[in-house]
Amino acid sequence: QKEVEQDPGPLSVPEGAIVSLNCTYSNSAFQYFMWYRQYSRKGPELLMYTYSSGNKEDGRFTAQVDKSSKYISLFIRDSQPSDSATYLCAMSDGNTGKLIFGQGTTLQVKP
Amino acid sequence: DGGITQSPKYLFRKEGQNVTLSCEQNLNHDAMYWYRQDPGQGLRLIYYSQIVNDFQKGDIAEGYSVSREKKESFPLTVTSAQKNPTAFYLCASRTLGTEAFFGQGTRLTVV
Repeated sequence: QKEVEQDPGPLSVPEGAIVSLNCTYSNSAFQYFMWYRQYSRKGPELLMYTYSSGNKEDGRFTAQVDKSSKYISLFIRDSQPSDSATYLCAMSDGNTGKLIFGQGTTLQVKP
Repeated sequence: DGGITQSPKYLFRKEGQNVTLSCEQNLNHDAMYWYRQDPGQGLRLIYYSQIVNDFQKGDIAEGYSVSREKKESFPLTVTSAQKNPTAFYLCASRTLGTEAFFGQGTRLTVV
């Protein structure tokens, strides 16, 4: 079993839709959670970072962490064609420094 | 400007040849990481280092080697023992307990 599971998609939505991206994990030691966006042939760029259960909002993006269920989500409101990319979740524990990524979900937002 | 620089952007390797990918950061980050990404896949951890002169194997370390002689540098050598090296290689750095930042990647192709 992989430490981090993420549905690879692809996910296709119309412009303006609310998008929900999800990851589950098995290691209860994970404390730090990140979401990245990656365009083709580019390095991932950080979207959200959080270390506590609950919601964190930044513009059209909301990151949600549920440590009791070992489940994290990223919500994108009012999705735009420019949001079309691969979204990667990542997480780390507080001791080893190991940083593990999910498989990535490919999102297409259609005009 | 602060950031992470990977070089070269494109690299071609002949069969049986060792090649070294460069990663330099001026963010004063303690931890550095190397990932491999295959088409349509997520990021798989090759090696990581939390401090100078120390590093740990990730999930796919076989056929790769690293060094961490300076805080700002973490070069990756792809050895001839790596039988399928064609991939996109990404370097990241972070201060432990915070978010990670990425370089723009090196695309390695076997010719």
